[in-house]
Amino acid sequence: AQTVTQSQPEMSVQEAETVTLSCTYDTSESNYYLFWYKQPPSRQMILVIRQEAYKQQNATENRFSVNFQKAAKSFSLKISDSQLGDTAMYFCAFMITQGGSEKLVFGKGTKLTVNP
Amino acid sequence: GAGVSQSPSNKVTEKGKDVELRCDPISGHTALYWYRQSLGQGLEFLIYFQGNSAPDKSGLPSDRFSAERTGGSVSTLTIQRTQQEDSAVYLCASSLQFGRYSGYTFGSGTRLTVV
Repeated sequence: AQTVTQSQPEMSVQEAETVTLSCTYDTSESNYYLFWYKQPPSRQMILVIRQEAYKQQNATENRFSVNFQKAAKSFSLKISDSQLGDTAMYFCAFMITQGGSEKLVFGKGTKLTVNP
Repeated sequence: GAGVSQSPSNKVTEKGKDVELRCDPISGHTALYWYRQSLGQGLEFLIYFQGNSAPDKSGLPSDRFSAERTGGSVSTLTIQRTQQEDSAVYLCASSLQFGRYSGYTFGSGTRLTVV
């Protein structure tokens, strides 16, 4: 089964501090793609960061970085210098590509609150 | 358009009625996806369109659900004989050819409430 587990339903952090959101996944595929999406109250899912499984180097996008451990099937998101606008639901997902189709498998999300 | 547009934003319907949800993807995006987000859950894949290829309908939960994409652009998700368990946010997304390379651009969804 292809699954994504986010073990922290809710987290909070003080503004300007660093927070790490956990994600583990299970797949038998050797090449796949991993994503973190942010969903603010507007409901629109916004891509935060993307990682290709065959790349060992961890992806970084400004204040967002990942710790990708392929053997452990772990893909955590680190947010540095947290800002109030980072308050949102965060979803970890990996992409299955099969026979020309592709689909994202999502975790249940982590609700992050950044406190002033 | 500049983003993925979905309508209506909210829809309340009576159990047993049919509903149509519309998605207008970003111009030039050949791939279009529908996902469902039930309360407190992650997103669940429903259907994937890619250009003129046959769609991947493997995520549709029952034969009450169908979707079409006309002219490679606008898509409509139809739910017939709605049930209370169909209440959810339905999200549409599009991408340039394959989302694996760039991720998807999502719309703001349609919140469907079946009463």
